[in-house]
Amino acid sequence: NAGVTQTPKFRVLKTGQSMTLLCAQDMNHEYMYWYRQDPGMGLRLIHYSVGEGTTAKGEVPDGYNVSRLKKQNFLLGLESAAPSQTSVYFCASSFLAGVGLFFGEGSRLTVL
Amino acid sequence: AQSVSQHNHHVILSEAASLELGCNYSYGGTVNLFWYVQYPGQHLQLLLKYFSGDPLVKGIKGFEAEFIKSKFSFNLRKPSVQWSDTAEYFCAVTSNNAGNMLTFGGGTRLMVKP
Repeated sequence: NAGVTQTPKFRVLKTGQSMTLLCAQDMNHEYMYWYRQDPGMGLRLIHYSVGEGTTAKGEVPDGYNVSRLKKQNFLLGLESAAPSQTSVYFCASSFLAGVGLFFGEGSRLTVL
Repeated sequence: AQSVSQHNHHVILSEAASLELGCNYSYGGTVNLFWYVQYPGQHLQLLLKYFSGDPLVKGIKGFEAEFIKSKFSFNLRKPSVQWSDTAEYFCAVTSNNAGNMLTFGGGTRLMVKP
């Protein structure tokens, strides 16, 4: 079972470059989330989606955009990367809001 | 402001020592409480959860946690740790007052010395 798959797993960007992280889940979950993990700060919610075609802001949405064109995919975009966006990004999905989240393996992004 | 606090950032124990990691939250409303573990290089895995009922919940790998509503706490315990418990532990909360989105504490990094 694939569960939640994130691509790419590692990426190095220069300041100002753009990129997209892809999250795919095969569990038919309605809810999908993007978190960033930084030392000492736990995981902070960037954006989330409650279903296909919907997105909503989380705790730290600035500098990121998301799209949920298909139920199984949740894309996280950085239009103009900044060093402050150096982090490990985790995607998660769940059937119900906030309950039973399945996490991906993370994507480590470094912005120089 | 609503938050989840883990007061121990780093804990170092010897094998067979007892473990207690603190977690406090400031959410009102109906809360669901979770502990997640992240082993080195891996993604988060659910250790245990509390929704309702018996405030003492048991999870995987011998972990347990106690929900004390009056103290807004959900501390994680294990009577005897093993080297394989070396990991980072995260407390997390959802509240119906906050859209039921999962909010994490800052994490506690546990190192168990063999």
